[in-house]
Amino acid sequence: AQTVTQSQPEMSVQEAETVTLSCTYDTSESDYYLFWYKQPPSRQMILVIRQEAYKQQNATENRFSVNFQKAAKSFSLKISDSQLGDAAMYFCAYRGSGGSNYKLTFGKGTLLTVNP
Amino acid sequence: GAVVSQHPSWVICKSGTSVKIECRSLDFQATTMFWYRQFPKQSLMLMATSNEGSKATYEQGVEKDKFLINHASLTLSTLTVTSAHPEDSSFYICSATPFGQDYNEQFFGPGTRLTVL
Repeated sequence: AQTVTQSQPEMSVQEAETVTLSCTYDTSESDYYLFWYKQPPSRQMILVIRQEAYKQQNATENRFSVNFQKAAKSFSLKISDSQLGDAAMYFCAYRGSGGSNYKLTFGKGTLLTVNP
Repeated sequence: GAVVSQHPSWVICKSGTSVKIECRSLDFQATTMFWYRQFPKQSLMLMATSNEGSKATYEQGVEKDKFLINHASLTLSTLTVTSAHPEDSSFYICSATPFGQDYNEQFFGPGTRLTVL
C-alpha cells in the first residue's frame, strides 16, 4: 500500500518570505501522480499543484513550485513571496495511474502560519 | 467549471436518526465520486468510492450498513448515515472525477459538518 508522510505538523513563515513543505511517499509503482492541496479555514480543498511522475520537469504554478525527486520519493512544495492568504493546512497526496485506481492517499498535513 | 456542491453544509440530528448528505457535480458528469471523513485537525480519510450504477467500494474498517452510498446518476451521489451516534459527528467531504480527464483530478465539495446529539 502506498503511504504519504509529511514530517512537519506545523510551519511558519514571514510574509514575503519563502517556505518549503516536505513530503515523502512510498510506492512500488513507476507511474503515478502527486498533488499538493490547500485547505483554508473554510475547509474547502483547493488543488495547488500537480506533478506527473513520468515528467522530469518540476511543476510550477505562479508562486508555487515543487521539487520532485523520484528516486528519493520526495515531493516538496516551495511557496515564494508568501502571502497572508497562503495560511492553511497543506496536504500532500498520491494517486496511482492504473485502471480505475483513482484513489488519493493523503499525508497528515502541515499547518502553515504566515506572520505579517 | 468543475464545481462540486454538497447539501446540507451543516446538519444537527438526534442520536438514532438517519441523515442524508448529497454530493452533486454541477457542470460535469462524474465518472467516480469519493466520500471522505475528516476529524478536527486531521487528514482526510477515504470512506468509499462510488461509480454510477454500481455498488460502492468501501475502505477497510468502514461499516457498509451504517454509511449507505447511492450513486444514482452521473451527477449525484448520496451518503446516508444510518442510526447516527455522537461518534459519527465529523466533517464529511465528497469529491468527483470528471469523464475524460487524463490525470483524473478530483474536485472537492465544500463539505458537510454533521453533529449528532
